[in-house]
Amino acid sequence: AQSVAQPEDQVNVAEGNPLTVKCTYSVSGNPYLFWYVQYPNRGLQFLLKYITGDNLVKGSYGFEAEFNKSQTSFHLKKPSALVSDSALYFCAVSPRGSGSARQLTFGSGTQLTVLP
Amino acid sequence: NAGVTQTPKFQVLKTGQSMTLQCAQDMNHEYMSWYRQDPGMGLRLIHYSVGAGITDQGEVPNGYNVSRSTTEDFPLRLLSAAPSQTSVYFCASSFQSSGSEQYFGPGTRLTVT
Repeated sequence: AQSVAQPEDQVNVAEGNPLTVKCTYSVSGNPYLFWYVQYPNRGLQFLLKYITGDNLVKGSYGFEAEFNKSQTSFHLKKPSALVSDSALYFCAVSPRGSGSARQLTFGSGTQLTVLP
Repeated sequence: NAGVTQTPKFQVLKTGQSMTLQCAQDMNHEYMSWYRQDPGMGLRLIHYSVGAGITDQGEVPNGYNVSRSTTEDFPLRLLSAAPSQTSVYFCASSFQSSGSEQYFGPGTRLTVT
């Protein structure tokens, strides 16, 4: 069975500092990997995804993530955090193949707080 | 485009009552799904559909029914509400069922007393 681990429930970072939100996964074969962000009382918004190709994926709002196959990780990063980045972040993974969205597994989420 | 819309935003039910959560998308997406979000558990898939007339169960389908008569609409029915169904429910859609990002609605916060 596939799984996603977000080992930190809470990450605090000062505004202007780099941020990292960690994600590791377990899935058979090569995965599709996603990051979503959820602001208070809102639905999830797509940030970025890894399908194939370059291991460094760039997404919305200056976020990027690096796919590391050997470490089965897909950490979310941003060079300079903003207070407005404070939100709940979810990593998600699905196996490749037809209909893989029905096997999309979400992590438990990491609350990011950027301190002014 | 309105994207994915959900109604109602909030609902309180008594145990045993039934209701329908509405979901609609205007992006002509073939794949639609329903999730529930509970604290510390991420999102769990309830039911999904790969096109009009086609639905299937996800990870936690018990107590819920769905139908998909049109591409746009994907309602979720609670047959006999239980306190364990207290949760936030999200509808999502995507262009296809493999590798596409999903677009989420704003959610329905349901409380069952």
